[in-house]
Amino acid sequence: DVKVTQSSRYLVKRTGEKVFLECVQDMDHENMFWYRQDPGLGLRLIYFSYDVKMKEKGDIPEGYSVSREKKERFSLILESASTNQTSMYLCASSPSSAPRNEQFFGPGTRLTVL
Amino acid sequence: GEDVEQSLFLSVREGDSSVINCTYTDSSSTYLYWYKQEPGAGLQLLTYIFSNMDMKQDQRLTVLLNKKDKHLSLRIADTQTGDSAIYFCAERDAGNKLTFGGGTRVLVKP
Repeated sequence: DVKVTQSSRYLVKRTGEKVFLECVQDMDHENMFWYRQDPGLGLRLIYFSYDVKMKEKGDIPEGYSVSREKKERFSLILESASTNQTSMYLCASSPSSAPRNEQFFGPGTRLTVL
Repeated sequence: GEDVEQSLFLSVREGDSSVINCTYTDSSSTYLYWYKQEPGAGLQLLTYIFSNMDMKQDQRLTVLLNKKDKHLSLRIADTQTGDSAIYFCAERDAGNKLTFGGGTRVLVKP
């Protein structure tokens, strides 16, 4: 069964803290994605990676960085968390070869920055 | 950039049909998707349609695509309480990037 897991379901951090969100997929997918989800705005792409050590900026990369040292793991890093980064963060993965390029999503991490 | 728009909310009675609408602006869309998000869960792909198709039916789900008007709809027949969720449409451009709409919250009343 396809599986994307995220390290935490809920996280509370203070302004200025460094925050790591981890995502692991067990499907040997080449592509991995980080989105944030805010009410009424849908999902917005932060960063994505199409191979190990490769990364591309999405639509809203400011304030975030990512790391992909292994194929199965894609980390999102908030160098200095701010209150406007309070959101639901969703990780997804997809294979390069599938014609419809379906993305498989993790359950999400709800981050609150105080 | 590309834009995908959906209405925010839909209320429907159990047993009736639901229709969720979506408009998009990218004329180079290759695939269009409908995802479902249940409370506390990630997104799950419901169905998809290739951009050269007009209609796709999958059990209780019917997807209609009007490429000229850039309008996509999802019809759920015989709506059940388990269909209460947020539904996202998304379009995939020629560069394989997905752009999501804001989501439509569907509430099914018994």
